[in-house]
Amino acid sequence: GDSVTQMEGPVTLSEEAFLTINCTYTATGYPSLFWYVQYPGEGLQLLLKATKADDKGSNKGFEATYRKETTSFHLEKGSVQVSDSAVYFCALGNAGNMLTFGGGTRLMVKP
Amino acid sequence: EAGVVQSPRYKIIEKKQPVAFWCNPISGHNTLYWYLQNLGQGPELLIRYENEEAVDDSQLPKDRFSAERLKGVDSTLKIQPAELGDSAVYLCASSFAGENIQYFGAGTRLSVL
Repeated sequence: GDSVTQMEGPVTLSEEAFLTINCTYTATGYPSLFWYVQYPGEGLQLLLKATKADDKGSNKGFEATYRKETTSFHLEKGSVQVSDSAVYFCALGNAGNMLTFGGGTRLMVKP
Repeated sequence: EAGVVQSPRYKIIEKKQPVAFWCNPISGHNTLYWYLQNLGQGPELLIRYENEEAVDDSQLPKDRFSAERLKGVDSTLKIQPAELGDSAVYLCASSFAGENIQYFGAGTRLSVL
């Protein structure tokens, strides 16, 4: 079955540091890939998505590229802010618009 | 535009008691999802509705969990009786039919004592 594996957190960075959160997946067919973000006390919000190989999703300075050859969708940001502190979830969407989530990675950004 | 609305935000009950969660999806969204999110983990699908029809409930523990979406709009998820292991966040999401972006509510955090 489909599965998503994320790097375990927490990831602790200083403000303006470079961020990478690794995500790899196993899926049949040609899934869409997503990053969702969950701020404390809130629901999940879509951060970015990519629907086919080599697509790059981007939003709010975050980027991720759909790499079919390595089955990866790593999240990156060049300069993180304290306000980026949250839990980030990688997910894949397959037939029937079903989402399979990774376990989440907590990011903590210190001033 | 209002997002997905869930209530209550928090619920504390004793084991063996019943509990119900309510979800109002984004207007016009045909598809509604209920997810279970355990602490430190990603959401796991419990049930998916297309309008009023439950099209995927394979992960719903039917001995104690039930759900309904009678008019194809808002939905209720019920647990009866609740067990200690049911303590978690219950998330509702919605989407347009055929669209692969889901919009999530803030969730209901359930504590079973």
